[in-house]
Amino acid sequence: ETGVTQTPRHLVMGMTNKKSLKCEQHLGHNAMYWYKQSAKKPLELMFVYSLEERVENNSVPSRFSPECPNSSHLFLHLHTLQPEDSALYLCASSPGTGGTWALHFGNGTRLTVT
Amino acid sequence: AQSVTQLDSQVPVFEEAPVELRCNYSSSVSVYLFWYVQYPNQGLQLLLKYLSGSTLVESINGFEAEFNKSQTSFHLRKPSVHISDTAEYFCAVSDAGGAQKLVFGQGTRLTINP
Repeated sequence: ETGVTQTPRHLVMGMTNKKSLKCEQHLGHNAMYWYKQSAKKPLELMFVYSLEERVENNSVPSRFSPECPNSSHLFLHLHTLQPEDSALYLCASSPGTGGTWALHFGNGTRLTVT
Repeated sequence: AQSVTQLDSQVPVFEEAPVELRCNYSSSVSVYLFWYVQYPNQGLQLLLKYLSGSTLVESINGFEAEFNKSQTSFHLRKPSVHISDTAEYFCAVSDAGGAQKLVFGQGTRLTINP
């Protein structure tokens, strides 16, 4: 398998649930990212990891908790979410964190909070 | 901080017609510029990028974009579109020499009518 794989593709959860989104990249990249894509809004960068170390946390509420156990895997743990958190969550990777690198995206997890 | 403005949220065109998707950016430093495409139910894919050198850059599927520093623009063009080009297109900018922190525009939905 190649590229960036995200699971699950769709997730419906209640506000009191705890769930996790998973991302795996098979590209040998050193940097991984979580983005939030909401309707009619620009993509919002949530977290950046470089060599498993978090290098960016873009003022994301604590109900979103990232985890990067190794350079190939990235998780986003979710708990006590709000309906406005419903969105497409995109994982991406890049060879490094310099500005020249293009991002390789997964197909996303469509999250609905009820 | 950089910002990106995509002037059109939706662009409908007929098949085989030319198209231009507009992108303007603002930044106090030198930038790298990107266009990404998102097909339905998929993540974003890199279409083309400008890092340095020739201001006209091309993609493998017939799109091109021209970096215009004086007008702070990076418009995307294709002389003849196909039904398969139906997608959402995102312009993005990053700080040259800085860490990877892509700032995305709000996207332009390109709809091709037969």
